[in-house]
Amino acid sequence: TQLLEQSPQFLSIQEGENLTVYCNSSSVFSSLQWYRQEPGEGPVLLVTVVTGGEVKKLKRLTFQFGDARKDSSLHITAAQPGDTGLYLCAVHTGTASKLTFGTGTRLQVTL
Amino acid sequence: DSGVTQTPKHLITATGQRVTLRCSPRSGDLSVYWYQQSLDQGLQFLIQYYNGEERAKGNILERFSAQQFPDLHSELNLSSLELGDSALYFCASSPRSTGLTEAFFGQGTRLTVV
Repeated sequence: TQLLEQSPQFLSIQEGENLTVYCNSSSVFSSLQWYRQEPGEGPVLLVTVVTGGEVKKLKRLTFQFGDARKDSSLHITAAQPGDTGLYLCAVHTGTASKLTFGTGTRLQVTL
Repeated sequence: DSGVTQTPKHLITATGQRVTLRCSPRSGDLSVYWYQQSLDQGLQFLIQYYNGEERAKGNILERFSAQQFPDLHSELNLSSLELGDSALYFCASSPRSTGLTEAFFGQGTRLTVV
């Protein structure tokens, strides 16, 4: 059983469409991070959310942390081909600062 | 550019062999993490070092070992390689050993075991 389940697993959409991806868990977290990984690269941090109900915006990307701090969503408005990649949610677990990643959502945006 | 350097980028080797993957963290970062990414298992944490000492261990196989040297670079040693060890291996670094921090990832080493 994965600590963080992401859905959908795959998403293929056309440029200009909106989409939402989800990160769910039965555990409560003090914070949650979203990373994007492009082909041939390592993951890059997009955002960190720390407060239940928190909403953060990064250009066309909107991130929300659930009120109970068990889940999070990422909404992309007017997707562009440059948004293509693997979106990963992650949480710090244990006493060290290691990250546990979700199962990932692979997004493809076509013209 | 994350500032984290991994070498080599690609590695092809035979079953039963041993390989060493190298990671240079961002300047000033004391923590180094190793992750394995495969299609069926996703991104899995292997091990963390902080300033030369092991701080956390994940599901790292006994055939795998790592160390962090005084200059803070780290090496991941994989021995008695099996076909199932084929994966992308990422190194990440951060300034902290505990708590909320940003992890900066290298470009990874793609290991293919044939």
